[in-house]
Amino acid sequence: QQKVQQSPESLIVPEGAMTSLNCTFSDSASQYFAWYRQHSGKAPKALMSIFSNGEKEEGRFTIHLNKASLHFSLHIRDSQPSDSALYLCAVSIGNNAGAKLTFGGGTRLTVRP
Amino acid sequence: EAAVTQSPRNKVTVTGGNVTLSCRQTNSHNYMYWYRQDTGHGLRLIHYSYGAGNLQIGDVPDGYKATRTTQEDFFLLLELASPSQTSLYFCASSDARASGNTLYFGEGSRLIVV
Repeated sequence: QQKVQQSPESLIVPEGAMTSLNCTFSDSASQYFAWYRQHSGKAPKALMSIFSNGEKEEGRFTIHLNKASLHFSLHIRDSQPSDSALYLCAVSIGNNAGAKLTFGGGTRLTVRP
Repeated sequence: EAAVTQSPRNKVTVTGGNVTLSCRQTNSHNYMYWYRQDTGHGLRLIHYSYGAGNLQIGDVPDGYKATRTTQEDFFLLLELASPSQTSLYFCASSDARASGNTLYFGEGSRLIVV
């Protein structure tokens, strides 16, 4: 069964800093990699996803994927207090709807003003 | 954006009690899911469905039943609730026509079993 681990468990950064969140997975057949963000008391919401090795940038957020290392990461440039949330990475073997997503345990990010 | 509505939002029941959590999505997505969220475990998949009458087993199904009655409605049933099922439950849906598997979550149902 797929195992997905996140590090660190929690992180405090000052406003304006670069934040890096890590996710490792166990199954080399994984094809779909995503990050979700969950503000306190709210539903998780999809942030970004990637299918192939390399990086993908959307605004202040960048995903890096290295399938050979079984690792992907999320980088947040110019972190803002509104970025404070629980960040969940998710991985699936398939890359279409219905492919079971396995989530990591989460990284709680706090951005200090 | 998909709208997923869960009820009840909060529920307290006794050990051995029956609980039904309801979920309705209004964007005609094929897939619906039930997850539980516990500190340190992230989200764990209980059951999911790709259409009315269909049910697929997730990763932590023990003690749970589910039923998909229509395209819109997916129910999670706890017939003999135990304290270990105290958790925050999320329903989600996804669109089979889209690439990838973006999940759209409801606001969650918090269940306490005493």
